[in-house]
Amino acid sequence: EVQLVESGGALVQPGGSLRLSCAASGFSVSNYSFNWVRQAPGKGPEWISYITSGSRTTYYSDSVKGRFTISRDDAANSLYLQMDSLRAEDTSVYYCARDPGHTGGHFVRAGMDVWGQGTTVTVSS
Amino acid sequence: EIILTQSPATLSLSPGERVTLSCRASQSVSTYLAWYQQKPGQAPRLLIYDASNRAAGIPARFSGSGSGTDFTLTISSLEPEDFAIYYCQQRGNWPPWTFGQGTKVEIK
Repeated sequence: EVQLVESGGALVQPGGSLRLSCAASGFSVSNYSFNWVRQAPGKGPEWISYITSGSRTTYYSDSVKGRFTISRDDAANSLYLQMDSLRAEDTSVYYCARDPGHTGGHFVRAGMDVWGQGTTVTVSS
Repeated sequence: EIILTQSPATLSLSPGERVTLSCRASQSVSTYLAWYQQKPGQAPRLLIYDASNRAAGIPARFSGSGSGTDFTLTISSLEPEDFAIYYCQQRGNWPPWTFGQGTKVEIK
């Protein structure tokens, strides 16, 4: 079964750090690009970061740029999000999500086809 | 940043009814738009990719259309499991790849 499982969420004080992990199973991450998406309580999803296969390109939303770092370890079949200088407004459920790439002879540009179940980050004193 | 505006915010409908949800972009995103369904406590689920292509395992009652700035998700006949929140997301040339604020489809 193709699956993503996030871990590492916790209660952390403002200014603190946290590292989220996303472990893949049922497929090799090396062939895919990935995203981190977060969702604050009662709000819609917010895309925050992206990494291509081979880590050639990374992108961040302005809300996390300079504080969060996305990375991947293809040997470990995993994705990571290092979160520093955390703020109360970073409180959210964090999801990792896969870009499907080529599917059925079509390169998918818009659409994330596999999502984890999410891990909760709470930033509070 | 491209703003996506979804309408209406809430729809109250009965099973069997036809549903049309709208997503309007503040600038053209070509056909680079996806639709997701989300139920409470669950991750979003991809329904439609690149404006009009059904994702794997998605029933044929779901269809997407549009290009440029105006997009539509249609559910031909609502099933009980379709009551949820629906989000659109754009993948224009440059990030941030924003989501709309969502449309809640609730039971009338």
